[in-house]
This record gives sequence, C-alpha cells and structure tokens, in this order.
Amino acid sequence: DIQMTQSPSSLSASVGDRVTITCRASQSISTYLNWYQQKPGKAPKLLIYAASSLQSGVPSRFSGSGSGTDFTLTISSLQPEDFATYHCQQSYSARTFGQGTKVEIK
Amino acid sequence: EVQLVESGGGLVQRGGSLRLSCVASGFSFSRYWMSWVRQAPGKGLEWVANIKQDGSDKYYVDSVKGRFTISRDNAKNSLYLQTNSLRAEDTAVYYCARDGYSSSWYYFDYWGQGTPVTVSS
Repeated sequence: DIQMTQSPSSLSASVGDRVTITCRASQSISTYLNWYQQKPGKAPKLLIYAASSLQSGVPSRFSGSGSGTDFTLTISSLQPEDFATYHCQQSYSARTFGQGTKVEIK
Repeated sequence: EVQLVESGGGLVQRGGSLRLSCVASGFSFSRYWMSWVRQAPGKGLEWVANIKQDGSDKYYVDSVKGRFTISRDNAKNSLYLQTNSLRAEDTAVYYCARDGYSSSWYYFDYWGQGTPVTVSS
C-alpha cells in the first residue's frame, strides 16, 4: 500500500503570507497526486489534480508542483478564506490520503 | 448542477449493520467511477471503496474487506455501501464522491455532504 505523509501537521500564518505544504509518497506515484481544502463541518473541495493542474474555479494563488515521491502545495498570498485543512491524495494505486495540514491564523 | 446526497447513517451497536445510500444528479452517473470516503472525528480522510461504471470492478481499503460491500444502480443514479460487522473504529462521517478524470488522472471532484455513522459498544 502507498503511504502519504504531509508536513507540517499544522502551521500558523498571517494574511498575505506565502504558505507551502509538502506531501511525500512512500513510492513513486508519477504525478497522480491531488490536493483538497476542507473547512470545519464541510466536505473537501478539490484544488489541484495531476500534481499541478488547477481545478476550474480555484483561485490562481493556489499552485501545485512535484512528481515521483515529493509534492508541494503553495498558496502565494494567504487570504482569510484560506484558513482550513489541506489534504493530499494519491490515485496511482487505489486511493490514499495524507493525514492533513491545518492552516491556522497567526 | 452536480449533486450527491447521502443518507442511511445513524447510531448502531457494535456488530450491527447499516446500508448507506447516495443519490446522484446533474451528470451522467453511469459514466463515472464512484467512491466512498470516510472521516473519523478529528481525523483525516480515508478512502473506503470504489466501483467501476458498470459495477464490474470494486476495490476496498484493507480494513473493511469482507465487511463492507459497495454497489450501484445506474437506473436509479444511486450508489450504496452495505456495512456489516461494524466496529467502533468505523465511526465516521461517510462521504460519497465522484471519481472525476482527465485522461488517466483520477480525482474526487464532487462530494456529498456526508452521512454520520456512530458505532456504540
């Protein structure tokens, strides 16, 4: 089974900050990596698919990069509505999620 | 507008069963793989199972194999999850999700609102 590890588990940041979240796969998954945003009590929302493709309607301040085992989600300028939990997920073999990264207000 | 609406969750005793349902609308249901994803209280997301467009292929996370069964009825635009021999660790919100795709890349592009399952001991 492919394991996904996100870091950090949580972070504190201010509005306007550049934020980077990483996700590491236990084996190579090419670019079969997706990112989701989840707010409390709500279903997750797809942000990025295929490692770097922006889902329709998602602001361009969100970007994804990486291939193989190491991936990054970047928020270029954090906005108030971006405080949430972010999850990575691989679709190379079955489906596995990372444990999530909570982005909190500093 | 794509909509996924789950139902069937509730409180059940350990060892009991529940059948979760998800009704889809706003897209051609029979053209997509569909999944169930769960989230235990205060925890991350866990993919549970998925099913091919025609129901011929099904896959499960190891922890539910032999206890849960995913199925679908394309005529009713409905997805199901039969959960048997429930354990305390199955307590979670269960989401129905569409496996969207672009070429060979798959992702969960639409989600339901979730239905909560609580297993009591």
